[in-house]
Amino acid sequence: TQLLEQSPQFLSIQEGENLTVYCNSSSVFSSLQWYRQEPGEGPVLLVTVVTGGEVKKLKRLTFQFGDARKDSSLHITAAQPGDTGLYLCAGAVVAGNMLTFGGGTRLMVKP
Amino acid sequence: KAGVTQTPRYLIKTRGQQVTLSCSPISGHRSVSWYQQTPGQGLQFLFEYFSETQRNKGNFPGRFSGRQFSNSRSEMNVSTLELGDSALYLCASSHRGGSEKLFFGSGTQLSVL
Repeated sequence: TQLLEQSPQFLSIQEGENLTVYCNSSSVFSSLQWYRQEPGEGPVLLVTVVTGGEVKKLKRLTFQFGDARKDSSLHITAAQPGDTGLYLCAGAVVAGNMLTFGGGTRLMVKP
Repeated sequence: KAGVTQTPRYLIKTRGQQVTLSCSPISGHRSVSWYQQTPGQGLQFLFEYFSETQRNKGNFPGRFSGRQFSNSRSEMNVSTLELGDSALYLCASSHRGGSEKLFFGSGTQLSVL
């Protein structure tokens, strides 16, 4: 059982649609990060959230950290083919400890 | 500023062989961590090195080992390869390690036949 559960595992949508990816845990995290990985490359950090209830926006991407710091979501507005990739959440239960990664959400945006 | 460099990019080995993978971190980064990525298990933490010392270790058998040199470059070694070791091996660097932002290399794709 993964410490961080991501849903859905796979998502295939049309360009212009909105979507939300979820990252849930029974543990409280000191911080949570979201990465995107494209085929043949390593993950690239999108955002870090550290405060319960925090909302961060990155152009069409909105990230939210749950009030209890046990869950997070990533919302993409008007998805584009360039958003295609594997989205990973990663968290540390104790600050300074190694990150634990979720299983990932594989997103495909069709033109 | 150059990113994290991993070599080789692709590797094909047979069962029972051993393999060494190399990682050069971003200049100034002292922490290097290694992850194994497979379709079934996702990204799993192998180990982290900081200033030539192994600081954290994941739940992998002793066949997986690593080291870090004084210039922060790191190598990981897998001995007595098994079919299940086929995976993308990713190296990531950061200034201080732990839960800090990670900069990943493009990985080494290892296939064990």
